[in-house]
Amino acid sequence: IQLTQSPSFLSASVGDRVTITCRASQGISSYLAWYQQKPGKAPNLLIYTASTLQSGVPSRFSGGESGTEFTLTISSLQPEDFATYYCQQLNTYALTFGGGTKVEIK
Amino acid sequence: EVQLVESGGGLVQPGGSLRLSCAASGFTLSSYDMHWVRQATGKGLEWVSVIGTAGDTHYSGSVKGRFTISRENAKNSLYLQMNTLRAEDTAVYSCARGNWGLHAFDIWGQGTMVTVSS
Repeated sequence: IQLTQSPSFLSASVGDRVTITCRASQGISSYLAWYQQKPGKAPNLLIYTASTLQSGVPSRFSGGESGTEFTLTISSLQPEDFATYYCQQLNTYALTFGGGTKVEIK
Repeated sequence: EVQLVESGGGLVQPGGSLRLSCAASGFTLSSYDMHWVRQATGKGLEWVSVIGTAGDTHYSGSVKGRFTISRENAKNSLYLQMNTLRAEDTAVYSCARGNWGLHAFDIWGQGTMVTVSS
């Protein structure tokens, strides 16, 4: 299953609302997770089963789905949110990740 | 504290072998699906392999037949035996815990670097 993530790069300002999209090549039954990765660090789980917020993750992060299209939205971008974000499907082996979206400061 | 610590990375020639280890603490490794994920420098995440609680294994197409995942319950450790290494296997290799209650990877190690070069 291929995951097409867009955009691959996003330039935004603190306080902006940003949305990242992940499209699956076939149905994945909501088994989609979102991770945040900062340089030199391990990925951190943000969202699982498409829209459930992981414990301890700020509520400005949210996930949505419509068919095979999934979204990660940050309602008001904070300085600590500048990072790279990845989607991942856990419906079928071989598991796959999206190509990543790097969010940088405008 | 729940954590995963990888070791065993290094420089190896093309065609060579390497065995990576992942030591778990704070939880029982055999009670979870355990995965290996790799990331080449400046590139995205690539899933490599999994061993399930029942010992079932799966591999990505790019490593199938060359890599073998295993675990040793007494040592609470996960392993990745990598044979016939290629330049394109160069990456940071990380282990991760699959939490099927969440359907996600909830714990990740920091990774160990593998460089395949002559």
